[in-house]
Amino acid sequence: RKEVEQDPGPFNVPEGATVAFNCTYSNSASQSFFWYRQDCRKEPKLLMSVYSSGNEDGRFTAQLNRASQYISLLIRDSKLSDSATYLCVVNFLSGGGADGLTFGKGTHLIIQP
Amino acid sequence: NAGVTQTPKFQVLKTGQSMTLQCAQDMNHEYMSWYRQDPGMGLRLIHYSVGAGITDQGEVPNGYNVSRSTTEDFPLRLLSAAPSQTSVYFCASSYSAESSYEQYFGPGTRLTVT
Repeated sequence: RKEVEQDPGPFNVPEGATVAFNCTYSNSASQSFFWYRQDCRKEPKLLMSVYSSGNEDGRFTAQLNRASQYISLLIRDSKLSDSATYLCVVNFLSGGGADGLTFGKGTHLIIQP
Repeated sequence: NAGVTQTPKFQVLKTGQSMTLQCAQDMNHEYMSWYRQDPGMGLRLIHYSVGAGITDQGEVPNGYNVSRSTTEDFPLRLLSAAPSQTSVYFCASSYSAESSYEQYFGPGTRLTVT
């Protein structure tokens, strides 16, 4: 069973605040994890990969908790331009291939001035 | 580079009509795929291709055909459109199967079937 669950939101957050959201996945054998960003009526774009040790890219921090089967995305000092839908993506196959990718339904984030 | 291009951007079909959604990429990517995105659903894989001449089915292939005669092009054909195929369709490409997590998506085709 391959399931990726996200809180759809919307998360309404004032500009400058820190916001975090999680994504849970069903298969403990899942191989790799990613966050994509999708702006309204646009295509998804890769935001960052999620490594076992956690990783940071500017104001964004992604973490993986294999024991509890969730990944998280933290956004610090949020900007108006961070408003988007954030898609959690889990790769259930070790050899790669789009057939192993399961996309979550997304978490909608609205940064308010 | 134009990246991944899709045509048309919008399309309205009547039930039973057929049409082809075009997808092209100029990045020399081996791996290409088609997804549909419906409200309240995650992206779902329709078909994918690991290289020219090779295609395979994804999660929701029924009602769709694909072919990959060149590295650049990966058209999606709707054989007999149904209202359930109303959706936003995204084509994507990646350098290889191993790097398919990093997909470059086209701008999408919004299809309505009446």
